[in-house]
Amino acid sequence: GIQVEQSPPDLILQEGANSTLRCNFSDSVNNLQWFHQNPWGQLINLFYIPSGTKQNGRLSATTVATERYSLLYISSSQTTDSGVYFCAVGSGNTPLVFGKGTRLSVIA
Amino acid sequence: KAGVTQTPRYLIKTRGQQVTLSCSPISGHRSVSWYQQTPGQGLQFLFEYFSETQRNKGNFPGRFSGRQFSNSRSEMNVSTLELGDSALYLCASSPSPGANVLTFGAGSRLTVL
Repeated sequence: GIQVEQSPPDLILQEGANSTLRCNFSDSVNNLQWFHQNPWGQLINLFYIPSGTKQNGRLSATTVATERYSLLYISSSQTTDSGVYFCAVGSGNTPLVFGKGTRLSVIA
Repeated sequence: KAGVTQTPRYLIKTRGQQVTLSCSPISGHRSVSWYQQTPGQGLQFLFEYFSETQRNKGNFPGRFSGRQFSNSRSEMNVSTLELGDSALYLCASSPSPGANVLTFGAGSRLTVL
């Protein structure tokens, strides 16, 4: 099955800093989503982005499907951005496969 | 509109017991997926249901089962609970299977003693 690798596994930032999270996947996909899991366990969908670039406020994402990677950019980070960020991919009608996540801690 | 509702949110069971978790999808969503999240294994796919039919099943033992009702609500059951079944069980819904945005519920946190 598809393999998903996320980096870095852990990231500590000062409030106001920018960061880039990476997701590599092993096969072609037609579904790629980024999620944020808050401290209470709720997974929030950030982007549905099997290809191209999208922006939502301070967050943006880019997927280069031909090179099998996606990037999530967080600008001007805030303490509320803390949590775990997951990349999940799928192909055809297969279930989403999740990476192990990047744990982000933003300190004031 | 209401999001994905999972019940119960927290529960404690002992080894050997069984448990049933419920998931009500977003209105109009007919596809429901279940995932197990543990610190060691991360998020692992359990099942996917669409129109009351199981479309996909993850690599879990037969003690894990599920079903979907005609109103798209889904339940999953774990029999003969083991300590390793302690996990956060997450349900997600989408309009249909395939390349669609998944919306997750808040999860059911199961502790097996």
